[in-house]
Amino acid sequence: ETGVTQSPTHLIKTRGQQVTLRCSSQSGHNTVSWYQQALGQGPQFIFQYYREEENGRGNFPPRFSGLQFPNYSSELNVNALELDDSALYLCASSIPLPGNYGYTFGSGTRLTVV
Amino acid sequence: DQQVKQNSPSLSVQEGRISILNCDYTNSMFDYFLWYKKYPAEGPTFLISISSIKDKNEDGRFTVFLNKSAKHLSLHIVPSQPGDSAVYFCAASAVGQGAQKLVFGQGTRLTINP
Repeated sequence: ETGVTQSPTHLIKTRGQQVTLRCSSQSGHNTVSWYQQALGQGPQFIFQYYREEENGRGNFPPRFSGLQFPNYSSELNVNALELDDSALYLCASSIPLPGNYGYTFGSGTRLTVV
Repeated sequence: DQQVKQNSPSLSVQEGRISILNCDYTNSMFDYFLWYKKYPAEGPTFLISISSIKDKNEDGRFTVFLNKSAKHLSLHIVPSQPGDSAVYFCAASAVGQGAQKLVFGQGTRLTINP
């Protein structure tokens, strides 16, 4: 059983650029959530995708967008990058069963905006 | 607006002794609480959870206690082992939150000394 894989592991972008981060969910998991973890902080919920539709969103501006594909993999896109977007971006997959709160997290993508 | 708080950024404990990590929350709508453990360069891994209808849940060396009236939970690790050295995150989920959005604390870095 493969876990959650994210790519790339590290990325450096310039302010104003756009970035796409990728995530392959754990086998059998149809729900993908994205979190942003700034330095010294806990992960913050960005949004979740279920059956290719956005299913809940945190307090992030519209320049943060995503996609989920039929194979349940997902992308996180960030437009007009700002310095404060520098963070570890975590993808987590799960199965939305009643009472199931278990996420499997990937190792993350470290984004640095300069 | 920090709804989940871990007020101790770090904790150092001698091997074999008890480690106690604390977490406070403000949102009375939270009905499920989880602890995650994170090693460097890895994603968070699920450790233990507790429903708001319980006050204690035990799994091997790990026990989570929930005091709803105080809006406080704690994770006890006994006996502590060197491999327990990691960052520990407390997380909470709210009633009716269909997107399984987790709200994380800032984390506590636990160091187990030989």
